[in-house]
Amino acid sequence: RKEVEQDPGPFNVPEGATVAFNCTYSNSASQSFFWYRQDCRKEPKLLMSVYSSGNEDGRFTAQLNRASQYISLLIRDSKLSDSATYLCVAIKAAGNKLTFGGGTRVLVKP
Amino acid sequence: EPEVTQTPSHQVTQMGQEVILRCVPISNHLYFYWYRQILGQKVEFLVSFYNNEISEKSEIFDDQFSVERPDGSNFTLKIRSTKLEDSAMYFCASSPGSFGNEQFFGPGTRLTVL
Repeated sequence: RKEVEQDPGPFNVPEGATVAFNCTYSNSASQSFFWYRQDCRKEPKLLMSVYSSGNEDGRFTAQLNRASQYISLLIRDSKLSDSATYLCVAIKAAGNKLTFGGGTRVLVKP
Repeated sequence: EPEVTQTPSHQVTQMGQEVILRCVPISNHLYFYWYRQILGQKVEFLVSFYNNEISEKSEIFDDQFSVERPDGSNFTLKIRSTKLEDSAMYFCASSPGSFGNEQFFGPGTRLTVL
């Protein structure tokens, strides 16, 4: 079983709509989680950290459910510029190694 | 804004040749990393480096790979005898501290092994 799994998509989203997708992780030792964004053939860039209480950054909301071992990302009022691959990332306590999921591709269309 | 830089942006080499991929991490960062991404696949951790030594490495990082910080600014990844399956995008990253600190990624070097 993969350590971090994501629905590859693509999620085709009308501009202005809301889209949400999940990521599951198998290793209970995973301590912290992040969402990174990756544009085609570019480097991953941190979108936001994910906190147990849930957190929001503008139009983006991240949730963590440790009991069910999943993380979610919700994008409100989607913009064309939100089109990208969203990478779910886990890190273990006291470690530095980022474990990436395969990414969820989001396409926002006019 | 400070950023991680990598050279070259694209490297083409023949199978069996040695390549050195170069990175300049953000200047006050202490932790350095290499990741790779084979086309169409996920980003995979290769190695982390702190205080002039490897702190963690993956199964991918076998004897053909080595890392070095030859001076105060550069961080290099050497692949001794390249194989076709080494073709990938190689990302360097750095962070100011360890666990929980954001890792900043460079733009990557696309390695093509023929």
